[in-house]
Amino acid sequence: GQNIDQPTEMTATEGAIVQINCTYQTSGFNGLFWYQQHAGEAPTFLSYNVLDGLEEKGRFSSFLSRSKGYSYLLLKELQMKDSASYLCAVADSNYQLIWGAGTKLIIKP
Amino acid sequence: GAVVSQHPSWVICKSGTSVKIECRSLDFQATTMFWYRQFPKQSLMLMATSNEGSKATYEQGVEKDKFLINHASLTLSTLTVTSAHPEDSSFYICSVTQPRTSGLPSEQYFGPGTRLTVT
Repeated sequence: GQNIDQPTEMTATEGAIVQINCTYQTSGFNGLFWYQQHAGEAPTFLSYNVLDGLEEKGRFSSFLSRSKGYSYLLLKELQMKDSASYLCAVADSNYQLIWGAGTKLIIKP
Repeated sequence: GAVVSQHPSWVICKSGTSVKIECRSLDFQATTMFWYRQFPKQSLMLMATSNEGSKATYEQGVEKDKFLINHASLTLSTLTVTSAHPEDSSFYICSVTQPRTSGLPSEQYFGPGTRLTVT
């Protein structure tokens, strides 16, 4: 079967760094997406990785290791507005997105 | 990115009635739209893929006669929840994706969602 695993919840301090991990087992792989979802709102796109390595975009970076079926989202200089759920999704061999349950990130002052 | 709207933002209806939710792609023609459902504290669950001019493709376990999808134009898809029951109360979100040009998937752009409460 297809499976995406992420921690359910994480807590971090404003100004700090946090890493949200995602492991996956899917039938085929055509890339991994990270989305941010604030409570009561729709998800917004953060990043896309299809090759191994680190993609940096401002305060957010995303890493992928295809051989390990592993990705992480790194958030630096955390701000209160970063409190949200972070969803990992993998495009399988049919380009269908398989979604993780999301990681709720709580930022404390 | 694409701009997607949904209407209504929220709706309360009585059990047994039907509710129609609209999803519009405002700035490009979307041949494919997706409908998701999200229960509290759970991830997105793909319900169906809506294809312009043809029948929608439903995911396993989703009743096509209960969740009617119409994608009559390149900018509008509608989801009708027929004979709604309290267990249908959820957050319904649509998304669009731009056509793949490089063989790689494109990101999905989501509408703001519609919160349905069935009493």
